[in-house]
Amino acid sequence: GAVVSQHPSWVICKSGTSVKIECRSLDFQATTMFWYRQFPKQSLMLMATSNEGSKATYEQGVEKDKFLINHASLTLSTLTVTSAHPEDSSFYICSATPGLGYEQYFGPGTRLTVT
Amino acid sequence: AQSVSQHNHHVILSEAASLELGCNYSYGGTVNLFWYVQYPGQHLQLLLKYFSGDPLVKGIKGFEAEFIKSKFSFNLRKPSVQWSDTAEYFCAVTGAAGNKLTFGGGTRVLVKP
Repeated sequence: GAVVSQHPSWVICKSGTSVKIECRSLDFQATTMFWYRQFPKQSLMLMATSNEGSKATYEQGVEKDKFLINHASLTLSTLTVTSAHPEDSSFYICSATPGLGYEQYFGPGTRLTVT
Repeated sequence: AQSVSQHNHHVILSEAASLELGCNYSYGGTVNLFWYVQYPGQHLQLLLKYFSGDPLVKGIKGFEAEFIKSKFSFNLRKPSVQWSDTAEYFCAVTGAAGNKLTFGGGTRVLVKP
């Protein structure tokens, strides 16, 4: 089956620093990747949609200058949390899909803790 | 804007009991509907999906869901649960022409052995 990986699985960083999270589709080409945020005991909230080779589309309320998304290839998307603050601590999950009409395949998530 | 609501936040039941999780959505058009499961410590997995056709959809691990268009509902069922069904279950929807998933709040299911 389709596999999506994320790296790192968890990261701790100091307030004010930047953190990069990678999302890779291992056995298929992902024309579209999605980034979600999941707070404890809550549901997933879509942050942005990224299509390979184009700028990401951010959901309302998500700061595009803070959460930089790059989808440079059909198998890799990155999310960079810039100038991280404790309130950015969360579980970040990516998903990838081969295209419209196909299901999304989810990565295992990255737990970010900002101290 | 589309929205999804799941009626139960927590469900506790014993093995062999039947399970039904409610899901209602709000969307002004044709939708695709999904149920995902997240086992403890694992990533989201697709249980089943409905795009069109027979409104009774069968998924993996003995789960099924019924799309009732008139009620904007897509309830998940399993006739006899097992301890291994302990997980969090998410209902989700996309518009027919899109692929942005909107998730419900999730239901935590605990199956007692």
